[in-house]
Amino acid sequence: AAGVIQSPRHLIKEKRETATLKCYPIPRHDTVYWYQQGPGQDPQFLISFYEKMQSDKGSIPDRFSAQQFSDYHSELNMSSLELGDSALYFCASSLYGGGVETQYFGPGTRLLVL
Amino acid sequence: AQSVTQPDIHITVSEGASLELRCNYSYGATPYLFWYVQSPGQGLQLLLKYFSGDTLVQGIKGFEAEFKRSQSSFNLRKPSVHWSDAAEYFCAVGAPNDYKLSFGAGTTVTVRA
Repeated sequence: AAGVIQSPRHLIKEKRETATLKCYPIPRHDTVYWYQQGPGQDPQFLISFYEKMQSDKGSIPDRFSAQQFSDYHSELNMSSLELGDSALYFCASSLYGGGVETQYFGPGTRLLVL
Repeated sequence: AQSVTQPDIHITVSEGASLELRCNYSYGATPYLFWYVQSPGQGLQLLLKYFSGDTLVQGIKGFEAEFKRSQSSFNLRKPSVHWSDAAEYFCAVGAPNDYKLSFGAGTTVTVRA
């Protein structure tokens, strides 16, 4: 079965640079979620989108922005990168049913900021 | 807001022995509960979920979990552990009309031969 695709899988950036992470949801899934998992930490919710509109927002820094496109893929844009942004970034997708639905996670993008 | 506590940071179990991972949640109503497993360097794989109905839930890889409202718990169990079960396990909770999942800190399982 098709899964959530994330690209790139690994990314190395310098401080103050920008990064763009991409997420392609499972076909027919209309909701996308972004999570950040720091080293040895649990995943923390950043932001979610349903039908191209932001549906919920968590602890996402103002330096980060995200959007969902007409084909339902999503991009997380990160600017002025800091050392503390080094983490594993997960994208998950689900089929909207009116509330919490089963979220299927991608393999993650591992970002290292030097 | 909902939250999850996983009291055990690390558990070591012998191959073939039983395994139980604890999860306690905090939420005023009936929550949506999930268990995910993460192998080193990998993504999160859904093991099982509870939304409503039968409080004993069967999942993949021989795992099961039991929802106990009186104890605010959703413990994960496996009767006989295999070496491939060594991983980190996360309990997560969601609330109706909410989108995000809140994760526990995770429990790392080590399987010894």
